[in-house]
Amino acid sequence: NAGVTQTPKFQVLKTGQSMTLQCAQDMNHNSMYWYRQDPGMGLRLIYYSASEGTTDKGEVPNGYNVSRLNKREFSLRLESAAPSQTSVYFCASTPRGRDSPLHFGNGTRLTVT
Amino acid sequence: DQQVKQNSPSLSVQEGRISILNCDYTNSMFDYFLWYKKYPAEGPTFLISISSIKDKNEDGRFTVFLNKSAKHLSLHIVPSQPGDSAVYFCAASEALYSGGGADGLTFGKGTHLIIQP
Repeated sequence: NAGVTQTPKFQVLKTGQSMTLQCAQDMNHNSMYWYRQDPGMGLRLIYYSASEGTTDKGEVPNGYNVSRLNKREFSLRLESAAPSQTSVYFCASTPRGRDSPLHFGNGTRLTVT
Repeated sequence: DQQVKQNSPSLSVQEGRISILNCDYTNSMFDYFLWYKKYPAEGPTFLISISSIKDKNEDGRFTVFLNKSAKHLSLHIVPSQPGDSAVYFCAASEALYSGGGADGLTFGKGTHLIIQP
């Protein structure tokens, strides 16, 4: 009964390093999302994928790229990490779209020094 | 400009009493509203939702009220229990207007609810 699985749970990067955050869901959901949560800012949408093969920018896409590898997996890549990208990243999925609740993973806490 | 506002960063309530969490929105196109609960080091979990065709939705101890004219919704928890201590996020989307498009939810900043014994 895994739901949405994110790896890694924690990561520390130096400025300029790159990394990929992984996300997989086993609920056969069509839509997947990446959000970031910063203190006092709520959750902000980075990128989303309405269905396999499509991706679109959200509210704060700069500095990130995504890949919808298949229906299960949606990865988030930081090509050149910056301290402003220090945050907690949440992946989420939903069977349909805006009219159905999101199911979230437990997050990846990223620190960029 | 923030489209979903939770103006109380924190709220303290005694165990057994009613907790009322408030949320205001500015986008008149929002027509689907949700509440999420978040414990530390975990992802948000869905609590309850309401569409704009209703003004109330109830699920056990949790009730959400929607006042469309005031662009305001509230979450009532009765009675409050220690396990309800968490951060609560209000979220909204343009579900009906968009025809079910998938570009995610807009979240408020959250209210930290503390239930005191």
